Amino acid sequence: AQSVSQHNHHVILSEAASLELGCNYSYGGTVNLFWYVQYPGQHLQLLLKYFSGDPLVKGIKGFEAEFIKSKFSFNLRKPSVQWSDTAEYFCAVMPGAGGGNKLTFGTGTQLKVEL
Amino acid sequence: DTAVSQTPKYLVTQMGNDKSIKCEQNLGHDTMYWYKQDSKKFLKIMFSYNNKELIINETVPNRFSPKSPDKAHLNLHINSLELGDSAVYFCASSPGLGMGNEQFFGPGTRLTVL
Repeated sequence: AQSVSQHNHHVILSEAASLELGCNYSYGGTVNLFWYVQYPGQHLQLLLKYFSGDPLVKGIKGFEAEFIKSKFSFNLRKPSVQWSDTAEYFCAVMPGAGGGNKLTFGTGTQLKVEL
Repeated sequence: DTAVSQTPKYLVTQMGNDKSIKCEQNLGHDTMYWYKQDSKKFLKIMFSYNNKELIINETVPNRFSPKSPDKAHLNLHINSLELGDSAVYFCASSPGLGMGNEQFFGPGTRLTVL
């Protein structure tokens, strides 16, 4: 069975600081990887996803993530955060074949951006 | 137009009651899901349906019974509610069972069991 770990549970940054949120997964086969964001009081929205091709994936709002297969990692980055990026960020993994599209989430990272 | 909608948004009820949460998607998707988000924000899949057929059942107590009357709807009925059922329940949908399919989430239903 797949699992996901997110190392940072709470991150506080000042505006314009750079962001990197760690995500490691455990699964023996091909995977699809996702980052979702949950703004306060809202539903989850997809930031970006990886399922094949270029391991550097660009998403919405200036976010990007790099899939490093040898490290089983899919870290999320943003060069310069804004106050509006304050939210909960979830990394998720889905087996590439079979599994019924079962999406397994990490425990989330709460990001607070201060002015 | 809301792509994935859920009703109600808030549900407060007493222990032992039976309640339902409804989910509808207007995206034409074949696959729908229910997730539970606990007080620590941990999200875990409960069920998924593809073309009205149950695909995933993640060892959820049988007090929880999903029902899919058609591809656009996946409702969640909960019998004999317990305190531990308090959580936010999210419905989601995706185009189908394929690689890389993004799941679109509804706004959530916050269930509080007293």
